[in-house]
Amino acid sequence: KAGVTQTPRYLIKTRGQQVTLSCSPISGHRSVSWYQQTPGQGLQFLFEYFSETQRNKGNFPGRFSGRQFSNSRSEMNVSTLELGDSALYLCASSFLEGTGELFFGEGSRLTVL
Amino acid sequence: AQSVTQPDIHITVSEGASLELRCNYSYGATPYLFWYVQSPGQGLQLLLKYFSGDTLVQGIKGFEAEFKRSQSSFNLRKPSVHWSDAAEYFCAVGTPINTGTASKLTFGTGTRLQVTL
Repeated sequence: KAGVTQTPRYLIKTRGQQVTLSCSPISGHRSVSWYQQTPGQGLQFLFEYFSETQRNKGNFPGRFSGRQFSNSRSEMNVSTLELGDSALYLCASSFLEGTGELFFGEGSRLTVL
Repeated sequence: AQSVTQPDIHITVSEGASLELRCNYSYGATPYLFWYVQSPGQGLQLLLKYFSGDTLVQGIKGFEAEFKRSQSSFNLRKPSVHWSDAAEYFCAVGTPINTGTASKLTFGTGTRLQVTL
């Protein structure tokens, strides 16, 4: 069974631009979560989607948004990029909602110049 | 709000030696507890989890962890470390689904394990 796939793996943007990251969960998983990982702040929860509905949102500004499609694939978007948005963005999927048994992708590493 | 403390930022052990990584959590009730491992350039992999029941849980790769309610701890152990265990280890706490927080995990800051040969 294929794992969680995130694209792109690496990307470089400049301040003020926007970026869209994609995540394909494990087949049959309907819950998708997003986390931001930085050396300074560690792993921080962004949001979670289940059956196309946002179930939870972390403490991030409105520039961070996401959505989930009917096939459970998810995208997250960051608008008006800032230098501090440079991070590894991890997507995780789960078969059961709310168990915390997350299967992570390898992440999308975003560098903002 | 829940929180997780991993007091050791970096630990070095010799191959074959035993390992214990510390984790303390703060939560008003019994949380869901997890240990994840992250190798360089990779995502996180679930090692083991505790939801309820037996307080000693077994995970993959020979790891185990013990939930101690009185100490609010969930320490990770391995009797004999292999060089391939070198990675960063994260303890995480989640809250039961009926509280409505679903899969929102709070992670500790991680412990980087170095294994010397």
